[in-house]
Amino acid sequence: DAGVIQSPRHEVTEMGQEVTLRCKPISGHDYLFWYRQTMMRGLELLIYFNNNVPIDDSGMPEDRFSAKMPNASFSTLKIQPSEPRDSAVYFCASSLGAGTGILNEQFFGPGTRLTVL
Amino acid sequence: AQKVTQAQTEISVVEKEDVTLDCVYETRDTTYYLFWYKQPPSGELVFLIRRNSFDEQNEISGRYSWNFQKSTSSFNFTITASQVVDSAVYFCALSERTGGFKTIFGAGTRLFVKA
Repeated sequence: DAGVIQSPRHEVTEMGQEVTLRCKPISGHDYLFWYRQTMMRGLELLIYFNNNVPIDDSGMPEDRFSAKMPNASFSTLKIQPSEPRDSAVYFCASSLGAGTGILNEQFFGPGTRLTVL
Repeated sequence: AQKVTQAQTEISVVEKEDVTLDCVYETRDTTYYLFWYKQPPSGELVFLIRRNSFDEQNEISGRYSWNFQKSTSSFNFTITASQVVDSAVYFCALSERTGGFKTIFGAGTRLFVKA
């Protein structure tokens, strides 16, 4: 398997622009997670999906952030409008639920390094 | 509320030394999972181990070993005979069943192994 695929790997944009980050999870995985990593705040869970349904979006910092999972093989994280403080590495991860009440490890993508000028 | 504390921000050792990375967690749930992940300088996060709350057996995998103690809410990670390639940031993480498996990561411990 190719692993979790994220695009783009690097994104530089100007404040106020819309940014869309993309993720393709590992085939067959039913959980998908979006994380943000910064020096100040560490690794934060933004939102996660189970079977394409958002389960917990309490980590989404503001209404400027939105995430969708239209099907089992694709998810997007959108920031509109972007701000310099959104600069971070954004990771997507997927996991296979092993049954009711059982959580397996997460497989992470390579991340998207976002810089907002 | 769930919480993971990795009190050691940075650790520096000389190659071949043993090193233990501490992880203390807080949870009110009886069913939960603990994880360790490694983030090498290249940036990707790599899974190392998973433990569920009902399995307190310690585990050894090569030079890596893990000590899970529910009595002290700790899940410590030891690297024996460290190598330069072990240099990375190591994260401990917790997922509670009642939290819908929302995963909380500790702040990470940066390990430097010098030749």
